[in-house]
Amino acid sequence: AQKVTQAQTEISVVEKEDVTLDCVYETRDTTYYLFWYKQPPSGELVFLIRRNSFDEQNEISGRYSWNFQKSTSSFNFTITASQVVDSAVYFCALVSGSARQLTFGSGTQLTVLP
Amino acid sequence: GAVVSQHPSWVICKSGTSVKIECRSLDFQATTMFWYRQFPKQSLMLMATSNEGSKATYEQGVEKDKFLINHASLTLSTLTVTSAHPEDSSFYICSARRAGGGQETQYFGPGTRLLVL
Repeated sequence: AQKVTQAQTEISVVEKEDVTLDCVYETRDTTYYLFWYKQPPSGELVFLIRRNSFDEQNEISGRYSWNFQKSTSSFNFTITASQVVDSAVYFCALVSGSARQLTFGSGTQLTVLP
Repeated sequence: GAVVSQHPSWVICKSGTSVKIECRSLDFQATTMFWYRQFPKQSLMLMATSNEGSKATYEQGVEKDKFLINHASLTLSTLTVTSAHPEDSSFYICSARRAGGGQETQYFGPGTRLLVL
């Protein structure tokens, strides 16, 4: 069985603040992939990043960065200098083993205030 | 890129009618497509997995006779909501996994909002 937990239901920050979205996952498989998706108000899911279980290198893409820690089964997402356009629901997701199906967390609603 | 389209984007229909939603991978071949349903302020729930040329695999609790899925080609899957009722009103999203990608990334369509009156 696989499970993704996003404990933060809603986060509100003021523009230019940094914000970290938490993601904790559970799986018994040694091979798995972790994802982050953004869902703006329009509803379309936007792929942000994929990480496989053998690559613990943290990644930075512009204002976005991801911290993958296998020891704590976490894959946290940080937005630096947040902007109003970052307001959206962010989903963490997991694919593991033979299931090959995405398991989504419950999502975190991020609101960036001007 | 990996673009997935869905049509229509909005549907309003009367109770008892059937609605067909199309999902297309525009610039890649997708051996596997997935159908999700999302209720307001909730996460995506997988309804079924559709493999090209074979029967779809439905998740527990999803009625296969109500939600008909056809995946006739490597670029097209359709979901038909038969005899729709108000409780079927939801946001339906498809995704496609690139054939031979080995990266397990699913690319999502823009979604279809269904309102059954």
